[in-house]
Parts: sequence; C-alpha cells; structure tokens
Amino acid sequence: DGGITQSPKYLFRKEGQNVTLSCEQNLNHDAMYWYRQDPGQGLRLIYYSQIVNDFQKGDIAEGYSVSREKKESFPLTVTSAQKNPTAFYLCASSPGDRTSYEQYFGPGTRLTVT
Amino acid sequence: SQKIEQNSEALNIQEGKTATLTCNYTNYSPAYLQWYRQDPGRGPVFLLLIRENEKEKRKERLKVTFDTTLKQSLFHITASQPADSATYLCASLYGGYQKVTFGIGTKLQVIP
Repeated sequence: DGGITQSPKYLFRKEGQNVTLSCEQNLNHDAMYWYRQDPGQGLRLIYYSQIVNDFQKGDIAEGYSVSREKKESFPLTVTSAQKNPTAFYLCASSPGDRTSYEQYFGPGTRLTVT
Repeated sequence: SQKIEQNSEALNIQEGKTATLTCNYTNYSPAYLQWYRQDPGRGPVFLLLIRENEKEKRKERLKVTFDTTLKQSLFHITASQPADSATYLCASLYGGYQKVTFGIGTKLQVIP
C-alpha cells in the first residue's frame, strides 16, 4: 500500500520543548515538502527537499529544522524558537522529475503547544 | 509576490447542479495551475493540472479552465453530489516549478 504516512496524528507539547514530526513515503519520490495550515489561511511552505542530503527554506522556515538523510524520510523539528507552533502540519511528496507536478499529501499532524 | 486568490466564502448548491469555483492570480503568470480537494482534518488530494496553453481540461465530472487574459481559472463540478462537499484548493507552481503556492480554498457544500 503506497503512500505517505505522518505520525502521530495528534501531538501535544509544552511551550519551550522541541518536537519532531515524522514523515515517511514509499512512493520513490525525490521531492518532499512540509507545510503548515492555519484556519483562514492557505497552506504555507516551511521547507522542501529535492534530493537526499539537500533541502531549502520555504516561506516560513524560522523556528523549524529538517533533515533528509534517506529518500523515504523527511522529519520536521518544531523548535522552541517558533513563536506560534500550534497548527496542522502537512507533509507532501512529488516525483520531482519535471514530468509530473502533483503533490501527494500525508494525513497531517495536528500539533498543540500550551 | 505571487498571489492566488479564492473566494473564501462557502458555496452552497443543490444536488445535481453545476458548481463553479473561481481562482484568480495576481503579480505573475503561472505556467501551471492545480486543483486539490481537502476534506476536514485530512491532507489535500490532487485533482487536476492545467497548463497555460491549455484552455480547458476535463476529468469525469470535473472541468478546469485557464484564462490568461482574465488571470483566472474556473473549476466546475457537473451533476454535483453531496459526496463532493469539501474544500477545493487552487495552487500554482513557481520557483522553477519546484514549489507550489496555495490559495485559501473554497468550501463547497452540496445540499441533497
């Protein structure tokens, strides 16, 4: 069963703690992305990676970090420096071969920081 | 900067009618536009992609148009069903087609 998995579905943390969100894909896609979605706003790009061991900042990278050590995995760390971390986080992947541009999304992780 | 605008107000239509959603873009000319469906609490699902040189694209009951003069894409669902109720997102590619910018989405409610 191919696809993207994100875990956990719900995550609760205390303010000041770092937290890592998991994203795994078995679609053999080169490109992976992290977005956050807030009520009344569109998806905003946090980080993206076109290839293993390389990643780029998106539009709202401050307070976040990522790694891409394996093609299948693109974990996102929400650090204590992120001022408003409570949000719905979505991971996506795309073939990245410039013949197909659709993004395949995971089910999302809803993070609540109090 | 690139901007994608969708009517944030919900659209309510009667079952069986055609739903039409609008996506406008400003400050740039995207080569591609995409449409996604998102159900509450879930990730978006890709529906259609249309290129700037394509006026129209169809997939089953879905139709997308791309008008570069009006800077607008229209998304139609014909013979709408209650199961079509969801939020529909318009998106465009930028950054050498490596990144996607999304509109806020329009919530569609199909009333039986």
